[in-house]
Amino acid sequence: QLQLQESGPGLVKPSETLSLTCTVSGGSISRSSYYWGWIRQPPGMGLEWVGSISYGGSTYYSLSLKSRVTISADTSKNQFSLKLTSVTAADTSVYYCARLTPLSGTYFGFDYWGQGTLVTVSS
Amino acid sequence: DIQMTQSPSSLSASVGDRVTITCRASQSISNYLNWYQQKPGKAPKLLIYAASSLQRGVPSRFSGSGSGTDFTLTISSLQPEDFATYYCQQSYNTPPGLTFGGGTKVEI
Repeated sequence: QLQLQESGPGLVKPSETLSLTCTVSGGSISRSSYYWGWIRQPPGMGLEWVGSISYGGSTYYSLSLKSRVTISADTSKNQFSLKLTSVTAADTSVYYCARLTPLSGTYFGFDYWGQGTLVTVSS
Repeated sequence: DIQMTQSPSSLSASVGDRVTITCRASQSISNYLNWYQQKPGKAPKLLIYAASSLQRGVPSRFSGSGSGTDFTLTISSLQPEDFATYYCQQSYNTPPGLTFGGGTKVEI
């Protein structure tokens, strides 16, 4: 059974960099055809896709966050990570990591999710 | 960016009711549309992909339809465990641009 677990600081100061890691167990992040992604959800609000990384290391980012986001992978540890620079209070959210799966041909969906981790931006 | 708009933002229903939620895309996305269910404090759960295909393990009372810009999620007979928030998501140009709708909260 695939499992994903987010980890990282729960409190980040304004203007600093938010860093989170997703550790995957029960499957390899290098497995062909799969992508891995970050999704965030401000308290009481909806879901926002942040970005994704492919099994081969290609990255894709939300246009609204592209200038501040970096997603990377460490295949030796079966982990992928998120860095978000110059954070403000608006970046306070629950951050989820998830697997983006080709469910049927070119139809993709997030089928496995981590439990989520709340990151608060405050001084 | 493709924008996704859901309606209504919330609805009240009773156990046994038929419930329909709509999702509209700002441009045609063929049938590249997913539906998720999220309960408080939990991660979202994939219900439907490709607009109408049921994900493994999802009860058959859930169904989806639509193509182009207009889509619907229907719960044929609402059960107590179905009270949750539902999100649509387009996957037309995956992996980039995986936009979510704003959500529909289904309340008692």
